[in-house]
Amino acid sequence: SYVLTQPPSVSVAPGKTARVTCGGNNIRGKSVHWYQQKPGQAPVLVIYYDSDRPSGIPERFSGSNSGNTATLTISRVEAGDEADYYCQVWDSSSDQMVFGGGTKLTVL
Amino acid sequence: EVQLVESGGGLVQPGGSLRLPCAASGFTFSSYWMSWVRQAPGKGLEWVANINQDGSEKYYVDSVKGRFTISRDNAKNSLYLQMNSLRAEDTAVYYCARAPSKLTSGDYWGQGTLVTVSS
Repeated sequence: SYVLTQPPSVSVAPGKTARVTCGGNNIRGKSVHWYQQKPGQAPVLVIYYDSDRPSGIPERFSGSNSGNTATLTISRVEAGDEADYYCQVWDSSSDQMVFGGGTKLTVL
Repeated sequence: EVQLVESGGGLVQPGGSLRLPCAASGFTFSSYWMSWVRQAPGKGLEWVANINQDGSEKYYVDSVKGRFTISRDNAKNSLYLQMNSLRAEDTAVYYCARAPSKLTSGDYWGQGTLVTVSS
């Protein structure tokens, strides 16, 4: 089955740029979606179809997908961005949805 | 306002059954794919199943195939997850989510309902 690999943790200072990666075999051929989850809360979609932003999501959130890596970029990081972030794709070869293991973003 | 409200969670013994309803409001329910996603305590997200607009397409994660059934009632704006032969590893918070397409798990999520499988 298809596997998505995320770093367990990423740390960044306020005002800097955070990059959360999501690795998968030829992931550029798939649509990648990103979710933010804060403790005790339901996930929130922050990026869909690689780089589109739902309404209400700040422009500081952006996404890209190339080769074997998709990336969620958060510019001008704020304390409120501290959360777990998950990437997700649909694996058409198995007709199953796959999540990455999640990345805990810590704002220093 | 889009609202998704799960219910039906609780404590169940291994081998038991549980049915989770999800009540939807604030959007045209029959126009959307719907998903169930779970999260074991302290763990990451795991997709469980999804269903298309008229219920004719259903997909499941391998670990629940043959045990869980996803269904919907568009007249009642409701999504369901019938869970049979429950195991300890099914213990999780179960979220229902509205999905814009088969490819995404959800753009709106409920707050979840906790299912605990234990003797």
